[in-house]
Amino acid sequence: DAGVIQSPRHEVTEMGQEVTLRCKPISGHDYLFWYRQTMMRGLELLIYFNNNVPIDDSGMPEDRFSAKMPNASFSTLKIQPSEPRDSAVYFCASSLRGKGLNEQFFGPGTRLTVL
Amino acid sequence: AQSVTQPDIHITVSEGASLELRCNYSYGATPYLFWYVQSPGQGLQLLLKYFSGDTLVQGIKGFEAEFKRSQSYFNLRKPSVHWSDAAEYFCAGENPDSNYQLIWGAGTKLIIKP
Repeated sequence: DAGVIQSPRHEVTEMGQEVTLRCKPISGHDYLFWYRQTMMRGLELLIYFNNNVPIDDSGMPEDRFSAKMPNASFSTLKIQPSEPRDSAVYFCASSLRGKGLNEQFFGPGTRLTVL
Repeated sequence: AQSVTQPDIHITVSEGASLELRCNYSYGATPYLFWYVQSPGQGLQLLLKYFSGDTLVQGIKGFEAEFKRSQSYFNLRKPSVHWSDAAEYFCAGENPDSNYQLIWGAGTKLIIKP
């Protein structure tokens, strides 16, 4: 298995631009998580899905952030418009209920820089 | 409220020395606990996990962790560290109020002296 795949690995954009981050979870996993990691705030859960349905988006910082999971093998996290304070590493993770319970498998992350 | 605390932001040890990274948790019932490692520029990788049973848990890369309910800790250990162990280590526990949300510690950065 290729593991969780994220693209792009690095994104540099200017303030005000739309940014779309992509994630392909491990095949067969039914939970998908989006995290943000910064030096100041550490690892923060933004949103998670179960069977493609958003379950908890209370960690999404504001309306500029949105996430979708149109099918079991793809999810996007969109920021529109982007701001410099959105600069962070964004991780996607997936897990399978009943296999190690909450064991989450992480992708390599997308490093976002907003100028 | 449930919490996971890693009291050490940085730990420096010499190569070949033993290692212990601390993790304290605050839960009512027996929690599910995890240790993850993040190498520079990489995602997080699971080292080991505790669900129930034996209080000494073996993981990958020669790591182990001891769960001690009476003192609410889940400390990570390694008898002899290697330079490749330099990374950031995260302790996490399952949130009983939200079955699939992990509560994460702030992380401990391990620095290895040659």
